[in-house]
Amino acid sequence: EPEVTQTPSHQVTQMGQEVILRCVPISNHLYFYWYRQILGQKVEFLVSFYNNEISEKSEIFDDQFSVERPDGSNFTLKIRSTKLEDSAMYFCASSGTPGEGYTFGSGTRLTVV
Amino acid sequence: GESVGLHLPTLSVQEGDNSIINCAYSNSASDYFIWYKQESGKGPQFIIDIRSNMDKRQGQRVTVLLNKTVKHLSLQIAATQPGDSAVYFCADSGGGADGLTFGKGTHLIIQP
Repeated sequence: EPEVTQTPSHQVTQMGQEVILRCVPISNHLYFYWYRQILGQKVEFLVSFYNNEISEKSEIFDDQFSVERPDGSNFTLKIRSTKLEDSAMYFCASSGTPGEGYTFGSGTRLTVV
Repeated sequence: GESVGLHLPTLSVQEGDNSIINCAYSNSASDYFIWYKQESGKGPQFIIDIRSNMDKRQGQRVTVLLNKTVKHLSLQIAATQPGDSAVYFCADSGGGADGLTFGKGTHLIIQP
């Protein structure tokens, strides 16, 4: 069964550093998403991406965040200057149809120290 | 956006029994609803979805019921198995490229 692949599985970074979280969506999917889940809390939407541009973003997705599809297979989330409160699981998802049939990756656990 | 919540944080059932997990949503514009299962350390796993033009949809051992009048969604799991132990989230969206709004999750515990 096709999978969404995320790397790394765990990233530890110092406060103020930049991190890039990587995702390989399912190959024939066109819609890409990032979500985050702070420990013990619900999953929160960050951003959706289609046709090489952001379709929608939440209030969480401020200027320190950016997304990019640098090539035909990768989809990245960059956090420019990490804060302690950015510590969370970050999930990438993709879908072939807008708003339907999401497949999530296993996540990257980001720990900011 | 609007919040989606679940009524119970933990539900414990005996193996083999049926379980019902409930969800209340608040966005009357939502037209697509999904149930996800999340095991420890893993990403949300799709279980079943339903569109607002339906009130019931069945899958393998799972049934989703949608009551748009009271904005209520439920997930029924028949003949629960140990592998069903997980946190279950409902989520909704208004369609298109809208992000999903997740509820807080219900931890389903299957007792042997």
